[in-house]
Amino acid sequence: GAGVSQTPSNKVTEKGKYVELRCDPISGHTALYWYRQSLGQGPEFLIYFQGTGAADDSGLPNDRFFAVRPEGSVSTLKIQRTERGDSAVYLCASSLIGAETDTQYFGPGTRLTVL
Amino acid sequence: DAKTTQPPSMDCAEGRAANLPCNHSTISGNEYVYWYRQIHSQGPQYIIHGLKNNETNEMASLIITEDRKSSTLILPHATLRDTAVYYCIVSINSGNTPLVFGKGTRLSVIA
Repeated sequence: GAGVSQTPSNKVTEKGKYVELRCDPISGHTALYWYRQSLGQGPEFLIYFQGTGAADDSGLPNDRFFAVRPEGSVSTLKIQRTERGDSAVYLCASSLIGAETDTQYFGPGTRLTVL
Repeated sequence: DAKTTQPPSMDCAEGRAANLPCNHSTISGNEYVYWYRQIHSQGPQYIIHGLKNNETNEMASLIITEDRKSSTLILPHATLRDTAVYYCIVSINSGNTPLVFGKGTRLSVIA
């Protein structure tokens, strides 16, 4: 079946602009995660959804970052007033809650460049 | 912060076994050891996980010490396509818990 998909694959924007990044999880997966990965570092957690609600948003760096998942499937990560420091690869992952040790399946990421 | 320590890089000859170590001396009794890898420009890929017992699947084997303070991921016959960054992660349940990644080990498989 289809894996996690993310669009766009690359996004270049100017400082101060607004961007939206989309994640399509694996069909039926109830949990969805957003991570951010800077060059040479491992992915860092941003936010986690269980269904439609954000179960943990402790990783969001500030109030310029916001994410939604209105129907419990597709999610959108929104970044307002982008800064050059927001440049990174934004990864989405999904998992099926139920088994004791469900694994997370990652998408290919969106590379965001803020000029 | 990540609860694991891994060497920053390793080399392995193609066709040989790659043994990637991981220290997790503060692991809790209900935490699993997970391994993911990330090939250049791709998202992380799940490899294997274990709690206490050694585990094997079609990709790799996971050896966990009896005191659970360290583990080794074994790729039995490394190929060039195994060149990647390998992450060792401890987590209660990766299905509903955010993963905490360290910097991982960059494995280079050499022809």
